[in-house]
Amino acid sequence: GESVGLHLPTLSVQEGDNSIINCAYSNSASDYFIWYKQESGKGPQFIIDIRSNMDKRQGQRVTVLLNKTVKHLSLQIAATQPGDSAVYFCAESGGAAGNKLTFGGGTRVLVKP
Amino acid sequence: NAGVMQNPRHLVRRRGQEARLRCSPMKGHSHVYWYRQLPEEGLKFMVYLQKENIIDESGMPKERFSAEFPKEGPSILRIQQVVRGDSAAYFCASSALRGDTQYFGPGTRLTVL
Repeated sequence: GESVGLHLPTLSVQEGDNSIINCAYSNSASDYFIWYKQESGKGPQFIIDIRSNMDKRQGQRVTVLLNKTVKHLSLQIAATQPGDSAVYFCAESGGAAGNKLTFGGGTRVLVKP
Repeated sequence: NAGVMQNPRHLVRRRGQEARLRCSPMKGHSHVYWYRQLPEEGLKFMVYLQKENIIDESGMPKERFSAEFPKEGPSILRIQQVVRGDSAAYFCASSALRGDTQYFGPGTRLTVL
């Protein structure tokens, strides 16, 4: 069935180090993938997205990698800062699911000073 | 440049009452999505609307829940005869075009006593 899951529920990172958050998806028909950041008490904040015709996309301090062969998505955060502490969700859409987003369960990132 | 707006931010209802949640999309956006989030979980899709039309309501419970997006005014998610299990955070997102990036509002936290 359609599902998006995460390998690591909590990730502790030293300030200044790089963070990698992983996500597995099961719907091979999905063609659009997004990473959101959610801070406590707030709504999900768009970070970066990627479409299935790409395997890598870079933003400011963030990179998303897409491996369609193994249906794996990752978010890399360079030089992690205290403000990066939040829960990160991957989401996918497309195929029979249409426009709706299917979210993973989330990974909590804790940045240690 | 206002983002997606939701009100109220917090809503307390007693069992059996009605809850009305409002969402104003970003300026220029005509596609609205509602999601529900239970504590420590990812968001679950409920319904996708365009102006005056429900496009996809596959995530909506069959009873007590309804949504609308009138020609004028905000989108409304209505929950009749609320039960304790309806307690959750309800998020609205909007996009400019079908398939575009969805931007989320701050959410409405519904508590049913």
